[in-house]
Amino acid sequence: EAGVTQSPTHLIKTRGQQATLRCSPISGHTSVYWYQQALGLGLQFLLWYDEGEERNRGNFPPRFSGRQFPNYSSELNVNALELEDSALYLCASSFGFGELFFGEGSRLTVL
Amino acid sequence: GDSVTQMEGPVTLSEEAFLTINCTYTATGYPSLFWYVQYPGEGLQLLLKATKADDKGSNKGFEATYRKETTSFHLEKGSVQVSDSAVYFCALKMKTSYDKVIFGPGTSLSVIP
Repeated sequence: EAGVTQSPTHLIKTRGQQATLRCSPISGHTSVYWYQQALGLGLQFLLWYDEGEERNRGNFPPRFSGRQFPNYSSELNVNALELEDSALYLCASSFGFGELFFGEGSRLTVL
Repeated sequence: GDSVTQMEGPVTLSEEAFLTINCTYTATGYPSLFWYVQYPGEGLQLLLKATKADDKGSNKGFEATYRKETTSFHLEKGSVQVSDSAVYFCALKMKTSYDKVIFGPGTSLSVIP
């Protein structure tokens, strides 16, 4: 069974540009979570989607946005990139009240 | 609000030493509790879990017991190996609502030969 897959693995952008990160959940999972992990820091909750709707949002500015598609895959968009957006972005999926399964992450570098 | 507190790291141990990483939580209900591990350059992997009081989760020689009376879920291993070097995250998830998973800050473990 395929796990959570994320793309791209690495992404390099410059300040002011936009970045789009993608996530495919485990088959049968309807919830997708996005977390930011900056260097040396813990996991900061970004967004949670379930059944196509945004269920919860962390303390991030509106330039962080996303969506979930009918097939439950998801994308995270970061507009007007800033240097401090450089981080590992982790996607996780779950079904119901079950545990989260994480992807390998997308490393975003903003120059 | 709900929260998870972990012991401060980094933790450095010699191979075959005993490991304890403390984790305590605050929650209004009865959450499920998890330990995740993140090896260098990788995403998080579920290490073990417990869904109710007095449950013991175990995997790869690691154990943790859900203690409702002390609101704790401490991670232990009797003899660590160099390959256990990683960051360990304690987490909770409420079972009564569609609530987000709450992670602790993580504890970095380095095991030296």
